[in-house]
Amino acid sequence: QQQVKQSPQSLIVQKGGISIINCAYENTAFDYFPWYQQFPGKGPALLIAIRPDVSEKKEGRFTISFNKSAKQFSLHIMDSQPGDSATYFCAASISTGFQKLVFGTGTRLLVSP
Amino acid sequence: NAGVMQNPRHLVRRRGQEARLRCSPMKGHSHVYWYRQLPEEGLKFMVYLQKENIIDESGMPKERFSAEFPKEGPSILRIQQVVRGDSAAYFCASSPIGQMNTEAFFGQGTRLTVV
Repeated sequence: QQQVKQSPQSLIVQKGGISIINCAYENTAFDYFPWYQQFPGKGPALLIAIRPDVSEKKEGRFTISFNKSAKQFSLHIMDSQPGDSATYFCAASISTGFQKLVFGTGTRLLVSP
Repeated sequence: NAGVMQNPRHLVRRRGQEARLRCSPMKGHSHVYWYRQLPEEGLKFMVYLQKENIIDESGMPKERFSAEFPKEGPSILRIQQVVRGDSAAYFCASSPIGQMNTEAFFGQGTRLTVV
């Protein structure tokens, strides 16, 4: 019940295309859903986050879509660029607590020029 | 303002040795979290510490692993008698307070290899 399932494991998108990464969770107590971006040899960096009181959040080219009834959320990267090539992790936690994040297994994104 | 500093970046230990991983949080941050990332897996929570206190260690293996965050100095994750299965990237994150609405910033990690 503490798992967050992430797919696909890897993704290749052409420059200018849309990258879509999906996550699903089971614990209905989760109410904070961040996405992290990790470049090789670096630590994860917070990209964008959403709470379940909204169905969508957009920051620049990055959009989170959230479906509370289906217990799913996804990251959309519009106009994908080679510089977006990285590993993306979804995560979930209970916001009344501290930063005890449950991470998905990651999606390795490659944006081809 | 330097970010979260972890050292060493890479650590090689033989089976049975001890590994000490250090984490200096960002200036002004008094909350530290340790996560472990096994190859091809996501990060898994290990322990949450405030200065001189362990708040939640529910993700720590029961044996051989310990963590501290003293009043002065960095947080230390200590692994005694390492085994091959301990090979992983260990990430530290810090935040100014321990609440969910405050972003935790991650360090670059220590990659432990047990040979």
